[in-house]
Amino acid sequence: SQTIHQWPATLVQPVGSPLSLECTVEGTSNPNLYWYRQAAGRGLQLLFYSVGIGQISSEVPQNLSASRPQDRQFILSSKKLLLSDSGFYLCAWSAKDRLLGNYGYTFGSGTRLTVV
Amino acid sequence: GESVGLHLPTLSVQEGDNSIINCAYSNSASDYFIWYKQESGKGPQFIIDIRSNMDKRQGQRVTVLLNKTVKHLSLQIAATQPGDSAVYFCAETRGYQKVTFGTGTKLQVIP
Repeated sequence: SQTIHQWPATLVQPVGSPLSLECTVEGTSNPNLYWYRQAAGRGLQLLFYSVGIGQISSEVPQNLSASRPQDRQFILSSKKLLLSDSGFYLCAWSAKDRLLGNYGYTFGSGTRLTVV
Repeated sequence: GESVGLHLPTLSVQEGDNSIINCAYSNSASDYFIWYKQESGKGPQFIIDIRSNMDKRQGQRVTVLLNKTVKHLSLQIAATQPGDSAVYFCAETRGYQKVTFGTGTKLQVIP
């Protein structure tokens, strides 16, 4: 079965420090990968998505970047964090073929980032 | 479209009653509409989806209704239980390449 791993679960970083959040998927190949952000008590905002290695689409202008160095690895980064980068970051994957009832669009457990 | 900046509305329901959560969508080109459940501190979990050529789909204790005329989606939960307390998000997608989430609704089940 397919699983998605995201770490760390929580992170407290000072303003101006770099960021690297990692997401990996197991049990599937050539997935679509996504990074979402959720502010406290708010909805989910799509930040980046990737349909293949090295292919990144950015949905909103921001202080963050994403990379996909391997087929099942998706990384969210920042060179210098801002206070406004605080939030709950979620990685998700989906299959390109309708293998499951919902293309397997599944979320990881999330990383709660607090920038201080 | 997305309403990520809005405070979440809250729906309070007595345990055992039926819950109805409503959602309006904007993209007529979407071919799937989805409901997700998010418990506190966790990622969203898929509940049920419905294809745009359908108007009703039933799952275990849940029913999704789609009204394309008024671009309205609803999730009905039968015999609501305390474990149903969570934030519920509707979402839309075209081909599931990416999913756009709507405003969530917080469901509070009163014992």
